[in-house]
Amino acid sequence: GDSVTQMEGPVTLSEEAFLTINCTYTATGYPSLFWYVQYPGEGLQLLLKATKADDKGSNKGFEATYRKETTSFHLEKGSVQVSDSAVYFCALEAGGYNKLIFGAGTRLAVHP
Amino acid sequence: NAGVTQTPKFRVLKTGQSMTLLCAQDMNHEYMYWYRQDPGMGLRLIHYSVGEGTTAKGEVPDGYNVSRLKKQNFLLGLESAAPSQTSVYFCASSSRGRPVEAFFGQGTRLTVV
Repeated sequence: GDSVTQMEGPVTLSEEAFLTINCTYTATGYPSLFWYVQYPGEGLQLLLKATKADDKGSNKGFEATYRKETTSFHLEKGSVQVSDSAVYFCALEAGGYNKLIFGAGTRLAVHP
Repeated sequence: NAGVTQTPKFRVLKTGQSMTLLCAQDMNHEYMYWYRQDPGMGLRLIHYSVGEGTTAKGEVPDGYNVSRLKKQNFLLGLESAAPSQTSVYFCASSSRGRPVEAFFGQGTRLTVV
């Protein structure tokens, strides 16, 4: 069945460092891909999405490109801030009705 | 603008007790979902609904029941709680169309002892 694999965390970075969180997927067809973020004590919120191959989603300085050939959707940010500390989830839409399959999540801690 | 509201936020149950988690959304969304979040496993879909009066099973439905009597509300019931149901539960909603953003509540932390 469909699945999402994310790099294990936690990821600890200094402020202004470059961030990459790897995400690969297994799916039939070409699902839409998402990154959701969960700040401490809150629910998940959409960070960015991509709907087809070679699409680049971007938001708040984060980017991810839908790579069909490598079945990947890696999250990147050029310069992280302390306020980016959160748990990041990669997800794909599976089976219609906007149902989501999530990766395990990657915790990011950014220190000054 | 409330979005998706879950009640309660925390609950401790004894094994065998029952409870209902309530989810309410004020965005007139057709679709609603219940997920559970466990360490190292991300979120997994329990049940979902594509409209008032409809429900369907997700990936991990055993031990749970749901109802959607009103469009804005989606209830998750545990008839006889087990320690394996200790988790954080998230409700979400989305509109029709693909792909669209899912809006999540703040979660309910449930502990079954």
